[in-house]
Amino acid sequence: GIQVEQSPPDLILQEGANSTLRCNFSDSVNNLQWFHQNPWGQLINLFYIPSGTKQNGRLSATTVATERYSLLYISSSQTTDSGVYFCAGGGSNYKLTFGKGTLLTMNP
Amino acid sequence: KAGVTQTPRYLIKTRGQQVTLSCSPISGHRSVSWYQQTPGQGLQFLFEYFSETQRNKGNFPGRFSGRQFSNSRSEMNVSTLELGDSALYLCASSFSGTGATDTQYFGPGTRLTVL
Repeated sequence: GIQVEQSPPDLILQEGANSTLRCNFSDSVNNLQWFHQNPWGQLINLFYIPSGTKQNGRLSATTVATERYSLLYISSSQTTDSGVYFCAGGGSNYKLTFGKGTLLTMNP
Repeated sequence: KAGVTQTPRYLIKTRGQQVTLSCSPISGHRSVSWYQQTPGQGLQFLFEYFSETQRNKGNFPGRFSGRQFSNSRSEMNVSTLELGDSALYLCASSFSGTGATDTQYFGPGTRLTVL
């Protein structure tokens, strides 16, 4: 099955800093999503981005499908950005395979 | 439009018991998937249903089962609970269920503790 590798596993940022999270896939995927897991455990959709670039406020994402990786950019970090960021990929087998996540800790 | 709902939100059981968790997808969504999240194994796929048919099952023992009803609501059941079944169980729904190519929307989860 698909293997998903996320980096870095942990990230500590000062407010206002920018960061880049990376996700590598072992095989091609038809679905690629980025999620933010809040402290209560809910996975919040950030982007559905099997290819190309999207932006939503301070967040943007780029997926280079031919090279099997995706990047999530967080600009001007705020304390509310704390939490775990997951990427997940899916093919034609009706399931998403998740990476282990990046734990983002914000220093006020 | 209401999001994915899961009940109950929290559950405490003892070893050997069984448990049933419920998931109501977003209105109009016909695909429902279940995932288990633990600190050691991360997020793992349990199974996926579309129009009452299970289309894929993850690598879990037969104690884990599920079903989907005609209104797309889904339940999962775990029998003979073990301590290792303690986890956050997440349900996701999507519109057309064409592979996993649709955006998956997750519910708030059910946190199961087995004592």
